Amino acid sequence: DIVMTQSPDSLAVSLGERATINCNSSQSVLYTSNNKNYLAWYQQKPGQPPRLLIYWASTRESGVPDRFSGSGSGTDFTLTISSLQAADVAVYYCQQYYSTPLAFGQGTKVEIK
Amino acid sequence: QLQLQESGPGLVKPSETLSLTCSVSGDSISTGSYYWGWIRQPPGKGLEWIANIHYGGSTYYNPSLKSRVTISLDTSRDQFSLKLSSVTAADTAVYYCAKAEVAFGGTGYLDHWGQGTLVTVSS
Repeated sequence: DIVMTQSPDSLAVSLGERATINCNSSQSVLYTSNNKNYLAWYQQKPGQPPRLLIYWASTRESGVPDRFSGSGSGTDFTLTISSLQAADVAVYYCQQYYSTPLAFGQGTKVEIK
Repeated sequence: QLQLQESGPGLVKPSETLSLTCSVSGDSISTGSYYWGWIRQPPGKGLEWIANIHYGGSTYYNPSLKSRVTISLDTSRDQFSLKLSSVTAADTAVYYCAKAEVAFGGTGYLDHWGQGTLVTVSS
């Protein structure tokens, strides 16, 4: 099974500053035949279901602000919020969909400093 | 606009079977190449994938729960269901249903989610 590990567990960032969340997979989630990374990012606000932000490691879901970006390949990935807004306070999860069982990282809580 | 809505008992007794249904609206459960799945989240904790099903009938389970889980489809009602047997307090969680865009066999990213339903296991 692929294990997903995020860092840090929480971070506090000033409004307008950059927030960076890391995600590591225990095995590569890059499928070399199509050069795609099977990695997604979600945002979850209190009392709400997760919301898909990024898939294929770097493709932004429709309607997601362009301050959210995903990068990385193989086993190491990053979600960047370029200019943190109050609406971005949430827990963020990465998820691999390279193989079953689907697996999520433990989550990273983003707060305002 | 695709919408998913979970329904079922909010309280289940230990050793009994948890049964939930997800109703899909805005699209047919039989159209497209999607998986329909269940994910759970214990209070204050992270997300755990339970199972996926394809409208063609293929099912995929988390090995950690496989012996106790059944996922099924009712295409005539645009619904899919989850049954989890022999529940304990450790199964207390918010249960979400979701739609996944197909990637590999059984896998995909989850682009539509229900609001979730809290199921408490207690006598």
